[in-house]
Amino acid sequence: DTGVSQDPRHKITKRGQNVTFRCDPISEHNRLYWYRQTLGQGPEFLTYFQNEAQLEKSRLLSDRFSAERPKGSFSTLEIQRTEQGDSAMYLCASSLLAGRSWYTQYFGPGTRLTVL
Amino acid sequence: GEDVEQSLFLSVREGDSSVINCTYTDSSSTYLYWYKQEPGAGLQLLTYIFSNMDMKQDQRLTVLLNKKDKHLSLRIADTQTGDSAIYFCALSPTGNQFYFGTGTSLTVIP
Repeated sequence: DTGVSQDPRHKITKRGQNVTFRCDPISEHNRLYWYRQTLGQGPEFLTYFQNEAQLEKSRLLSDRFSAERPKGSFSTLEIQRTEQGDSAMYLCASSLLAGRSWYTQYFGPGTRLTVL
Repeated sequence: GEDVEQSLFLSVREGDSSVINCTYTDSSSTYLYWYKQEPGAGLQLLTYIFSNMDMKQDQRLTVLLNKKDKHLSLRIADTQTGDSAIYFCALSPTGNQFYFGTGTSLTVIP
């Protein structure tokens, strides 16, 4: 396994459209995280899953955002009725909750969203 | 939440040591990390330290933790041009939610 992958790498959309991003974690990693990173800032936590259960959501995750991890493997992040303020890099990370390695997150390359 | 502060820029000459600093507000953070981000790439974990440690050394990297002052630092010895990147400190009180600093852009001058 080569690491966490995200698709697409870049997305340009018009305001008001819906977009969906996909994240494929490292296989057998049971934790999956979504972050948002804007220019000049560090990643901001959005939500995380343990297997298929969504255990925590940030206040940043408005009603227009929804994330799923239906089979405990890949995850999708959907943004409905996109706004210009949604323009950012969306990062996915995964980790293995087992033994002493659970605290190590591995990040994907991110999906850069531009809302026109 | 946790407030994590870093200085924005650092410039050093090749071969010198770099010290990147991070301060935080929540003293209950148990897990503390340093990540590196190169242009167009995701975050790469460099090293981590637990709150019950004061120092950790890993090849050219030395992490110092001052819990009293809530201060974390990353020292890179013999800095190379390939070390030019943005460096983020990150903290996690419980291992569930992670808080990142604003990042320090390190420029290495040949």
